[in-house]
Amino acid sequence: GAGVSQSPSNKVTEKGKDVELRCDPISGHTALYWYRQSLGQGLEFLIYFQGNSAPDKSGLPSDRFSAERTGGSVSTLTIQRTQQEDSAVYLCASSPDRGNTEAFFGQGTRLTVV
Amino acid sequence: GNSVTQMEGPVTLSEEAFLTINCTYTATGYPSLFWYVQYPGEGLQLLLKATKADDKGSNKGFEATYRKETTSFHLEKGSVQVSDSAVYFCALPLNSGNTPLVFGKGTRLSVIA
Repeated sequence: GAGVSQSPSNKVTEKGKDVELRCDPISGHTALYWYRQSLGQGLEFLIYFQGNSAPDKSGLPSDRFSAERTGGSVSTLTIQRTQQEDSAVYLCASSPDRGNTEAFFGQGTRLTVV
Repeated sequence: GNSVTQMEGPVTLSEEAFLTINCTYTATGYPSLFWYVQYPGEGLQLLLKATKADDKGSNKGFEATYRKETTSFHLEKGSVQVSDSAVYFCALPLNSGNTPLVFGKGTRLSVIA
């Protein structure tokens, strides 16, 4: 597609359930990022994939969070045993491998844990 | 890694007023600097960028100049419109190379007619 695509756009889940959020980056972009946007907290970096390198997981808030990127394209962010504090908008972005360049963002997935 | 500090809002202006949103950064070297905008109900999109010192990025009447002396990248617009109401984020790469962007906390701008 023309831009970064995320699904679902909204997700309501019960506390304790697992959720999977999907990101389709722009074709040909080698870098993929996940961020979390909480009310009043700005954008929090979660995880970063660059080509075939091991992902940078330094931003993941707990071991309940994990992500994978299959075939260097689609990525899935998984949150296990969701908690109410996980409620946020999860944003995915991708960028071409040109260094120091802009990131292109998807519309995000709004996760609500009840 | 690099970091950014952004003026916190909210900012409320009347239409045609002058806008400044302050952004200062701490960085190794001279990374590219960015302003992103998030309109209500929409995703983040790049507003403008500057790739080296003294560069001026501009778009949609907004401008920001990369000032290495003051490590600043303030966003300005001479005459805001209601349609400029949004949240504005200053950003730069966390480290050199193709690394995640680190963002300021965002400044919510409301422009009233």
